Amino acid sequence: QQPVQSPQAVILREGEDAVINCSSSKALYSVHWYRQKHGEAPVFLMILLKGGEQKGHDKISASFNEKKQQSSLYLTASQLSYSGTYFCGTLPGGAQKLVFGQGTRLTINP
Amino acid sequence: NAGVTQTPKFQVLKTGQSMTLQCAQDMNHNSMYWYRQDPGMGLRLIYYSASEGTTDKGEVPNGYNVSRLNKREFSLRLESAAPSQTSVYFCASMERFRETQYFGPGTRLLVL
Repeated sequence: QQPVQSPQAVILREGEDAVINCSSSKALYSVHWYRQKHGEAPVFLMILLKGGEQKGHDKISASFNEKKQQSSLYLTASQLSYSGTYFCGTLPGGAQKLVFGQGTRLTINP
Repeated sequence: NAGVTQTPKFQVLKTGQSMTLQCAQDMNHNSMYWYRQDPGMGLRLIYYSASEGTTDKGEVPNGYNVSRLNKREFSLRLESAAPSQTSVYFCASMERFRETQYFGPGTRLLVL
């Protein structure tokens, strides 16, 4: 039931782009993206709803392919502040419990 | 608004001891959640409460109990702590289905 994220870790130089993928074996109603900095709580980035369009948040955007049961998070021209672990969360079968992937650790170097 | 608060921030227990982790939210949210996060791991759902008066098991409920005391408060109890329960525990709340989930700062628990 847990969504699967790839890659598990990414190391970039400042200014480079990254893509983080999230896929599920179950039908998805929505996909949630969160970022967690080391030693802190996860913080909400965005939600993509079934039938909705691609969303954006500064230079971070995401897409949701319902047929493939996948979502991708795009980080463009990465900044040092983008470092952290990114989690996708899904609501399998429309239930009210958010189930998270195992996370993707993103490291941005100067 | 304090958002989601958790107490305590840190706790050390001996095997077999019991304790209750407290969580409160002041955003008038209906749903509340307890997660555990182990080093290098994702967030695993322990229990959740979709509304006041209801609780349901998540992925890893064994060894835990919960109480939704009122709309604001959702507590997590470890009756007999085990070293395998060493983890960081996060409480979260959500207003409505498919909306943003807000997390508390976490409780770091060490069971010796």
